[in-house]
This record gives sequence, structure tokens and C-alpha cells, in this order.
Amino acid sequence: GENVEQHPSTLSVQEGDSAVIKCTYSDSASNYFPWYKQELGKRPQLIIDIRSNVGEKKDQRIAVTLNKTAKHFSLHITETQPEDSAVYFCAARDTGFQKLVFGTGTRLLVSP
Amino acid sequence: GAVVSQHPSWVICKSGTSVKIECRSLDFQATTMFWYRQFPKQSLMLMATSNEGSKATYEQGVEKDKFLINHASLTLSTLTVTSAHPEDSSFYICSAPISGRDTGELFFGEGSRLTVL
Repeated sequence: GENVEQHPSTLSVQEGDSAVIKCTYSDSASNYFPWYKQELGKRPQLIIDIRSNVGEKKDQRIAVTLNKTAKHFSLHITETQPEDSAVYFCAARDTGFQKLVFGTGTRLLVSP
Repeated sequence: GAVVSQHPSWVICKSGTSVKIECRSLDFQATTMFWYRQFPKQSLMLMATSNEGSKATYEQGVEKDKFLINHASLTLSTLTVTSAHPEDSSFYICSAPISGRDTGELFFGEGSRLTVL
């Protein structure tokens, strides 16, 4: 089955700086890679996703890149703001059973 | 947008009792629902896949007799934690894709925080 690794586990940046979170996956057949933001005690919220037929996708301050050969994908947040502080999870869809396998999470702290 | 409603949002129970958590898709049909468990400061771990009209598929290490899953209709799945113990205390959250749409996107319920005394 799919295995997803994520790093760093914690990331502290100053407001306005960029933040990058990286994930690797094991199943070369996985074809869908979403990123979720989770605030304490709340449900995960989809912030951006990318499919295996695309190398990069951008939505305002958020971008995701995918390298299928290396089996890794990254989340880039530019011009970070304090409200970006949360836990971010990457995930990969297991093509065998259509389930999402999550990474271990990154706690992002943006200081004013 | 697709909405998944989950109840209760929090529950406290005594050790040895059973607790039922409901997950409903409000504006779409969900033939499949995924049940995740999240311990504090940890990731979401898939427990089982609920399938309407058939038995649930459990992940390795998850006891099917302890975590009973029923997918009664195209919009409702329930998770019952039987004979709950303090180590079952966790955040349980359901999610579902829209049936017939192979986008991969999952829509999550609000989650249920279970505390077993």
C-alpha cells in the first residue's frame, strides 16, 4: 500500500517569509495529491490539490509542485500571514482502494 | 459544495459502554465513506472503508468487532465503538467522495471527539 512521508514536522517563519513543506510517496501509481490545512479541533480543509498529469499548480499565495519521477511533491506558501499558522497534511490517493493516505503533518507557525 | 455532517461533535462515556457516531452526506450520495482516527498531535489514520450495501473493509490492526461500521444508505454511515476503553479516546472523523465523480477529493465531517473515562 501507499506510504507518505512528510517533513519538516514543525516550521517557524516570520510573517511575509515563504514556507515550503515536502512529501514523498511510495506508490508510483498514485495519481492524486491533496494538501489539507487543519486548525486545532477542526476538520481538515482542502487548500490545493494536484493530479499526476500536472507538474505544478498555483492558487494565489499557495502552489504545489509534483515530481513523479522522484515521487515527491511540495507545498509552497508565499507571503505568509499569522492566519496561515496551522497543521498542514499532504496526502496521496491509493489507486488500489481509492483511499487517501496522509503524511505525518507539519505544524506551521507564522510569527508577526 | 458537498457537505458531510457528523454527530456527535463530542462525547464522554464511561469505560465499557458503547458509543455511536453518525456521518451523513447532506447534498450528495456517498456509496463509500472513510473513517479516520486522529490522536493528539498526530496524523489521520484510516481505520476502515465503509461501503453501502456491503461489509466494511478494515485496515490492518483495526478490530472489526470493536469498531462496528454500518453503511445503511447512500447518505449515512455509522461507527460504533463497542466496550470503549480510555485508550479509544481520540478524534474520529469521517469523509466521503461524491459517488460517480472520480476526482479524488474527499469531503470531511466535523469530527467527533471521544473521551472515555
